[in-house]
Amino acid sequence: AQSVTQLDSHVSVSEGTPVLLRCNYSSSYSPSLFWYVQHPNKGLQLLLKYTSAATLVKGINGFEAEFKKSETSFHLTKPSAHMSDAAEYFCSGGYNKLIFGAGTRLAVHP
Amino acid sequence: NAGVTQTPKFRILKIGQSMTLQCTQDMNHNYMYWYRQDPGMGLKLIYYSVGAGITDKGEVPNGYNVSRSTTEDFPLRLELAAPSQTSVYFCASSYSSAGEETQYFGPGTRLLVL
Repeated sequence: AQSVTQLDSHVSVSEGTPVLLRCNYSSSYSPSLFWYVQHPNKGLQLLLKYTSAATLVKGINGFEAEFKKSETSFHLTKPSAHMSDAAEYFCSGGYNKLIFGAGTRLAVHP
Repeated sequence: NAGVTQTPKFRILKIGQSMTLQCTQDMNHNYMYWYRQDPGMGLKLIYYSVGAGITDKGEVPNGYNVSRSTTEDFPLRLELAAPSQTSVYFCASSYSSAGEETQYFGPGTRLLVL
């Protein structure tokens, strides 16, 4: 069985400081992995995806994520947070069907 | 190119009523999905379709039905609404399987069952 676990339900950072949102996965095969962002009352938007090519994946808005097979992790990072990054972030993975983590709410303070 | 559209945006149902949530995509995608999102939770897959005439159950299919008569449309039917079905429902589509291709999401339908 496969699973996706987001390790933090809430993360709070100051504007201009780095962002780290953690995601671990469990799968019997090499999965495809995704990060989505959801702004209030909106649908989900793809930030980036990993599909067994380069392990460091760059996405939109300065976000990137690194696939680490030995740690079964796919953490999302950004060097410098912006106020507009405040949103809910979902990690997901799978093949035909995606499994979503419970989400991490990112708050960005001035 | 509107992407994925969903109607209605918001609906209040009484227990036992039925309704259909509409989903349409104009990207000629083969795969379509219905998810529900409960407060503080991730998305749970209800049903999905890999093409017209083909549907399959996801993680939480009980209480729902779907059909896929055309490539563009994938309606979700609630026959006997229950309070446990209060949620936000998202429709999504992708060209091929979700693990290979980007899923595009609609804006969601907020459903309240009282």
